[in-house]
Amino acid sequence: NAGVTQTPKFRILKIGQSMTLQCTQDMNHNYMYWYRQDPGMGLKLIYYSVGAGITDKGEVPNGYNVSRSTTEDFPLRLELAAPSQTSVYFCASSSSDVQGPQHFGDGTRLSIL
Amino acid sequence: GDSVTQMEGPVTLSEEAFLTINCTYTATGYPSLFWYVQYPGEGLQLLLKATKADDKGSNKGFEATYRKETTSFHLEKGSVQVSDSAVYFCALRGSGRRALTFGSGTRLQVQP
Repeated sequence: NAGVTQTPKFRILKIGQSMTLQCTQDMNHNYMYWYRQDPGMGLKLIYYSVGAGITDKGEVPNGYNVSRSTTEDFPLRLELAAPSQTSVYFCASSSSDVQGPQHFGDGTRLSIL
Repeated sequence: GDSVTQMEGPVTLSEEAFLTINCTYTATGYPSLFWYVQYPGEGLQLLLKATKADDKGSNKGFEATYRKETTSFHLEKGSVQVSDSAVYFCALRGSGRRALTFGSGTRLQVQP
């Protein structure tokens, strides 16, 4: 009963490096989301996807890219890491049921030094 | 745009005390309202929800009532336990939207 799985759990990057945060879900959900959570703040939406091949920007998309080649996977790419991207990143998914809840992964804690 | 305002924490209570965490929102139309809980080192878990005015969501002894007239969705529990220590997030999903708008979270610490 995996749900939403994120890897890695922790990562330290140097400024200017790139990396991909992985997210996969096994619930056959069409909708997937990436949020970031800064200390003492609520979650802010980075990107979301309504199905394979379809993605759209959220509230804070700058510095990130996403792709959705399969229903299960929704990776988040940081091309040129900056200190402002130090945060905890959460992936979530939800079904086509408009009343259905979002299911969250355990998060990736990312530090840019 | 949509927004959610929560009372600042931390909230520190003794075991078996009554809990209220205030949440108010700004949104057009008829949003759905949620409370999520985040235990240390974990992701967010849905605690309860309400999808229309006057609905009461409840789960694990927690309750919240969707009050459209006061644009509020306050979280309450009659008797908290140490195991309730966590961060609680109020969130809304706007009409016709899928993504959630979150409040800043309220940390609850329950002491034995």
